[in-house]
Amino acid sequence: DTEVTQTPKHLVMGMTNKKSLKCEQHMGHRAMYWYKQKAKKPPELMFVYSYEKLSINESVPSRFSPECPNSSLLNLHLHALQPEDSALYLCASSQFGVGYTNEKLFFGSGTQLSVL
Amino acid sequence: SQQGEEDPQALSIQEGENATMNCSYKTSINNLQWYRQNSGRGLVHLILIRSNEREKHSGRLRVTLDTSKKSSSLLITASRAADTASYFCATDALGIQGAQKLVFGQGTRLTINP
Repeated sequence: DTEVTQTPKHLVMGMTNKKSLKCEQHMGHRAMYWYKQKAKKPPELMFVYSYEKLSINESVPSRFSPECPNSSLLNLHLHALQPEDSALYLCASSQFGVGYTNEKLFFGSGTQLSVL
Repeated sequence: SQQGEEDPQALSIQEGENATMNCSYKTSINNLQWYRQNSGRGLVHLILIRSNEREKHSGRLRVTLDTSKKSSSLLITASRAADTASYFCATDALGIQGAQKLVFGQGTRLTINP
């Protein structure tokens, strides 16, 4: 299994809602990532978990809360989002943890989020 | 920022022609990677070239790396309609907490016309 699975594929939420994005991989990878991508822009790194510990937080607002329950699962909890948070949210994984070089990323298909 | 700059931003060619995309970056790297993204989908890893390598091939893909010029190019030969996608280069950089992270360039939108 070489897939990273993200659910849901599409999500519409109001600014007062609480929702969660989910990501799962069964490749035994030890690092998992959340990226945010606006239309016609490159993906921007949000968080990295390495060996189930938060290794990188790119100064992301607290209305985004990541969680890594185990090495195969990664969640992104959303609360009180703003319309400008509407974007494609991509999950990715890599074989080894942060600090290893020459690692390639395996991406999920993303969750297209719209905040109304 | 380590973010790469890609050139051109958009490229439209006829099926069967070759497509060349360029990427420039700012500081020293361990490796440079190329990814493809079909519209609204996740990214797919194409090829990784290490800093001590100058050229690498994978099927119809050819990647070159010139560390003295801090630039790389991706050549797709004999293009097909299915090659229509956005292509991103990515380089490693230090994150805020001092850990390595992958930073993507602005991307080239490639359109292959039948």
